[in-house]
Amino acid sequence: GQNIDQPTEMTATEGAIVQINCTYQTSGFNGLFWYQQHAGEAPTFLSYNVLDGLEEKGRFSSFLSRSKGYSYLLLKELQMKDSASYLCAVRGPGGSYIPTFGRGTSLIVHP
Amino acid sequence: GAVVSQHPSRVICKSGTSVKIECRSLDFQATTMFWYRQFPKQSLMLMATSNEGSKATYEQGVEKDKFLINHASLTLSTLTVTSAHPEDSSFYICSASSGRATNEQYFGPGTRLTVT
Repeated sequence: GQNIDQPTEMTATEGAIVQINCTYQTSGFNGLFWYQQHAGEAPTFLSYNVLDGLEEKGRFSSFLSRSKGYSYLLLKELQMKDSASYLCAVRGPGGSYIPTFGRGTSLIVHP
Repeated sequence: GAVVSQHPSRVICKSGTSVKIECRSLDFQATTMFWYRQFPKQSLMLMATSNEGSKATYEQGVEKDKFLINHASLTLSTLTVTSAHPEDSSFYICSASSGRATNEQYFGPGTRLTVT
């Protein structure tokens, strides 16, 4: 099985930087996703990491360490619209390409 | 980019009735569609995976006779919640994959079901 852990809630100030951590324990690993989900809406894809290291995409970056079972999502120059839930999802071993989602981290950005 | 639609976006029904939710891939052929359920402040829980033209694969604990899934074409999957009860009230989200070597699922906008 898979166990995914993220903080429940975080707050940050507009313009600041915030790091959302995700740790996972799986019997195998085949990639990690980050999704953004605004309240009452479907998740939207942010990033996908399968190799160790940092992937940068505009204001958002995602880091993966497979040996530590650890990932983080880094959001820079925070904007009010970044207030949302951020879901970490891990794809399992073998032929299963269906990711398992964590509970999500609710990020509140205040002025 | 790939677009997935869901209909209806919101539905209120009485206990004991059935509700059908449609999921369509608008600009690509979805060989595989997924149905998720999400309770408030909870994670997305996969209910079932459906492949076009074959029976859906249900996750453990999901009643296949209560949640009927049909994937009749490469662009349409339906989820029917039969004999709905208030505890079935939730946010139902579908996603679709083209089934090739893709790393992405494309999510629909979700359907808010309220059973009174």
